[in-house]
Amino acid sequence: SQTIHQWPATLVQPVGSPLSLECTVEGTSNPNLYWYRQAAGRGLQLLFYSIGIDQISSEVPQNLSASRPQDRQFILSSKKLLLSDSGFYLCAWRRRGLGYEQYFGPGTRLTVT
Amino acid sequence: AQSVTQLDSQVPVFEEAPVELRCNYSSSVSVYLFWYVQYPNQGLQLLLKYLSGSTLVKSINGFEAEFNKSQTSFHLRKPSVHISDTAEYFCAVSDNTGGFKTIFGAGTRLFVKA
Repeated sequence: SQTIHQWPATLVQPVGSPLSLECTVEGTSNPNLYWYRQAAGRGLQLLFYSIGIDQISSEVPQNLSASRPQDRQFILSSKKLLLSDSGFYLCAWRRRGLGYEQYFGPGTRLTVT
Repeated sequence: AQSVTQLDSQVPVFEEAPVELRCNYSSSVSVYLFWYVQYPNQGLQLLLKYLSGSTLVKSINGFEAEFNKSQTSFHLRKPSVHISDTAEYFCAVSDNTGGFKTIFGAGTRLFVKA
């Protein structure tokens, strides 16, 4: 069976510090991968998606970046965090093809102070 | 471009009462439709999906949703809710053009009261 892991689960970082959130998927190959942010009481904002290694698309301009160094690893980074980067970050994967659902990780709660 | 509108941001309801969470979408092509549920501080989980065939789809825990093409709707219903159904519910759509993205609605918070 497939599983998706995210870490850390919780993170408190000062403004201006760097960020690295990691997501890994097990039990599948060639997945589509996604990073979302969920602000308090709000819906999902798609940040990045990837259809393959080194194939990453950004959905919104911001100070975040994403990388996919391996087929089943997706990393979200920032060089300098802003207060507005606080939120709940969700990684998800999906099988290639039409009509498949996304499977979400447990999320990382980021608080920038 | 596709879009999803969830018409209610919050729905309070008493336990054992019926509930309907509304979802409308817009798309110029055929779509696949999903409902996800999110419990506090967790990721989203698939509740049910419509791909093709019967327009009424059901989940294992008593929810059902009906695809209505003419009204471009995919409303979620449950005839009798439980306290444990309290959660955030997201409607989502993807299309058949080979796109990689799923468009999510803003979510509806269902609050079941005793």
